[in-house]
Amino acid sequence: ETGVTQSPTHLIKTRGQQVTLRCSSQSGHNTVSWYQQALGQGPQFIFQYYREEKNGRGNFPPRFSGLQFPNYSSELNVNALELDDSALYLCASSYSGQNYGYTFGSGTRLTVV
Amino acid sequence: DQQVKQNSPSLSVQEGRISILNCDYTNSMFDYFLWYKKYPAEGPTFLISISSIKDKNEDGRFTVFLNKSAKHLSLHIVPSQPGDSAVYFCAASGASGTYKYIFGTGTRLKVLA
Repeated sequence: ETGVTQSPTHLIKTRGQQVTLRCSSQSGHNTVSWYQQALGQGPQFIFQYYREEKNGRGNFPPRFSGLQFPNYSSELNVNALELDDSALYLCASSYSGQNYGYTFGSGTRLTVV
Repeated sequence: DQQVKQNSPSLSVQEGRISILNCDYTNSMFDYFLWYKKYPAEGPTFLISISSIKDKNEDGRFTVFLNKSAKHLSLHIVPSQPGDSAVYFCAASGASGTYKYIFGTGTRLKVLA
């Protein structure tokens, strides 16, 4: 059983650019959630996808968008990058109805300069 | 507005002793709570959870206690081992299952050999 994999692991972008982060969910999972973890903070919920439909969104601007594919992998897109977008972006997968939390990937460290 | 608070950023405990990590929450609608452990360069790993209908859940060396009236939960690790050294996040959800979790800012536990 493979876990959650995220790519790339590290990324440096310039302010104003756009970035796409990718996530492959754990086998058998149909739900993907994205979180942003700034330095010294806990993970903050961005949005969740369940069977390719958005299933909730946190307090993030529309510059943050995403999608989920039929194989339940997912992308997070961020447009018009700002310096404050520098953070660890975590993807987590789960199976709807399970009651023991997500399986997180190792994250993508995004640095905006 | 920090709905989930971990007021101790760090904790040091001697190997073999008990580690107690605390978490407070403000939203009475939360009914499902989890603890995650995070090592550097890895994603958070699910540790243990508790539903609001319980006041205690135990899994090996890890026990979570929930005091709903005080809106407080704690994680007890007995006995503490050096491999337990990590950042521990408390998280809360308004519904059991896979919807968004609100995370605290984490407590860095160091178990001294």
